[in-house]
Amino acid sequence: AQRVTQPEKLLSVFKGAPVELKCNYSYSGSPELFWYVQYSRQRLQLLLRHISRESIKGFTADLNKGETSFHLKKPFAQEEDSAMYYCALSLGGGSEKLVFGKGTKLTVNP
Amino acid sequence: GAVVSQHPSWVICKSGTSVKIECRSLDFQATTMFWYRQFPKQSLMLMATSNEGSKATYEQGVEKDKFLINHASLTLSTLTVTSAHPEDSSFYICSARVRALGQPQHFGDGTRLSIL
Repeated sequence: AQRVTQPEKLLSVFKGAPVELKCNYSYSGSPELFWYVQYSRQRLQLLLRHISRESIKGFTADLNKGETSFHLKKPFAQEEDSAMYYCALSLGGGSEKLVFGKGTKLTVNP
Repeated sequence: GAVVSQHPSWVICKSGTSVKIECRSLDFQATTMFWYRQFPKQSLMLMATSNEGSKATYEQGVEKDKFLINHASLTLSTLTVTSAHPEDSSFYICSARVRALGQPQHFGDGTRLSIL
């Protein structure tokens, strides 16, 4: 079965510290992975996707098929990064469904 | 670009009432729209996939007669919660996307439904 696991419900770091939000997936096919972010009182919005291999707001994520992981990283966290982060798996192959992880709430302290 | 509008944002109604929630893509044509349900402090659970001009595809365990979905145009999908009961109280979120490889889903603000 397809599954996305975000092991940390809460993650707290200090401003300027590195941050890594973990995401592991279970899927036998060819996955497409996304990170979505939800800032306080705002809608869910796309942060980045693995096929783009881009850096958004200083965040990067690399798909590791061997470890079935797609961890989100930022070398120097900022207070405005505080938000809820969801890792999502698209089943690909024409399927458009997203399977979401339970989310990690990141708090960046001053 | 890629704005999805959801209406209403909050609705409170009596048990037994039917409630309609609208999801509109404002600046793009959405070939596919999705409806999610989110319980407090939990993740989004996909309820159904709605394709323009065809019947919605429901996820396992979702009652299609309870949650009626209509996707009449490329910019509008509606979710009607029929004969709502307190256990249907939840946060409902829609998303929309263009059917093309690698295109992400764009989300609405969500609708908080409270059934008394």
